[in-house]
Amino acid sequence: KNQVEQSPQSLIILEGKNCTLQCNYTVSPFSNLRWYKQDTGRGPVSLTIMTFSENTKSNGRYTATLDADTKQSSLHITASQLSDSASYICVVSAIILGEYGNKLVFGAGTILRVKS
Amino acid sequence: GAGVSQTPSNKVTEKGKYVELRCDPISGHTALYWYRQSLGQGPEFLIYFQGTGAADDSGLPNDRFFAVRPEGSVSTLKIQRTERGDSAVYLCASRRLADNEQFFGPGTRLTVL
Repeated sequence: KNQVEQSPQSLIILEGKNCTLQCNYTVSPFSNLRWYKQDTGRGPVSLTIMTFSENTKSNGRYTATLDADTKQSSLHITASQLSDSASYICVVSAIILGEYGNKLVFGAGTILRVKS
Repeated sequence: GAGVSQTPSNKVTEKGKYVELRCDPISGHTALYWYRQSLGQGPEFLIYFQGTGAADDSGLPNDRFFAVRPEGSVSTLKIQRTERGDSAVYLCASRRLADNEQFFGPGTRLTVL
């Protein structure tokens, strides 16, 4: 069964600190992995996307890693800001043969709260 | 517009009523998705349109849920005989063909009393 598990479920950190969010998946056949940021009351917005051959991808203070062998990914946030408070969702795309486009499998998300 | 828009942003209805939720995708995106997101959970796939046709409706929970996209752009998700368990945020996304990136709307928060 295609699944995406995220940890921790929630996290509180002080402004300026770093943090790392984890994602484990069992989706197969793997196409790509995305990290989304979802602010309260908004739709998810893509932060990074990585394919099988990519190990790391950065987007400003966000750095995602991917280990396709162990099927694990992490999202590292550097020098956190109050505006980083949001839910971070790991999304793995499975190739569906014969279909036009991939199927997305969503994790439940990690709720991050940055305190001043 | 520049992004995916959804209306209404909030909908409160009574158990047993019929509701329609609207999605305006990004212009030119032929693929459109509906998801349902419960509190503290990631989005759950409902249905996917390629053009006017539903290419995959395997996520619709039961026959009270139906979606249409008659002209291949705007889509409407229809829920009949609403139940309290239908309360959730309903997200719509359209997909960019070049890289399969999905762009999400802000969602419609449905509350069934």
